[in-house]
Amino acid sequence: KQEVTQIPAALSVPEGENLVLNCSFTDSAIYNLQWFRQDPGKGLTSLLLIQSSQREQTSGRLNASLDKSSGRSTLYIAASQPGDSATYLCAVSIDDMRFGAGTRLTVKP
Amino acid sequence: GAVVSQHPSRVICKSGTSVKIECRSLDFQATTMFWYRQFPKQSLMLMATSNEGSKATYEQGVEKDKFLINHASLTLSTLTVTSAHPEDSSFYICSARDTGTTEAFFGQGTRLTVV
Repeated sequence: KQEVTQIPAALSVPEGENLVLNCSFTDSAIYNLQWFRQDPGKGLTSLLLIQSSQREQTSGRLNASLDKSSGRSTLYIAASQPGDSATYLCAVSIDDMRFGAGTRLTVKP
Repeated sequence: GAVVSQHPSRVICKSGTSVKIECRSLDFQATTMFWYRQFPKQSLMLMATSNEGSKATYEQGVEKDKFLINHASLTLSTLTVTSAHPEDSSFYICSARDTGTTEAFFGQGTRLTVV
């Protein structure tokens, strides 16, 4: 069974800082990896989807990389803002789709 | 992107009653749907995977007689929580995968409170 791990569990940074969130998975035979944002009490917002054949995806201040062979992905957030405060989840798809436990990010003004 | 509509968004029910949650793919045919449960401050845990026309595959520890999943069409899957108890109170969310693709799209989620 695929296991997905996210480090750190929580992160607090001052506004403007660049930061990296980490995701690792045990089975490298994935279809894709997806990063989501979840605000408290809300559903999921898809941020970036990386197909298994891709190495990275970028959207605005977000950049996600994928190293399938090592079972790792990182989400890089540039110039963080208080509005980035949320829980960030990575999910890996094979036949099913499994989530990591998330990283709770707080960006302080 | 493709749209998945989940209904209701919130429901409160009495202990012992049953609740049905619907998940619809609006603009694509979903051969596979996933149901997740999320307890407060925890991540999404996969409950079951359903393929259209087949019985759902449940994860270990999920009672299939309590959480009934029906995926009778390519655009609709339902999750029925039977004989609900307060400990079933949670956030339930579905996702659907289009035929021939690997990307899954998520519903808005349903917050169930059992009193």
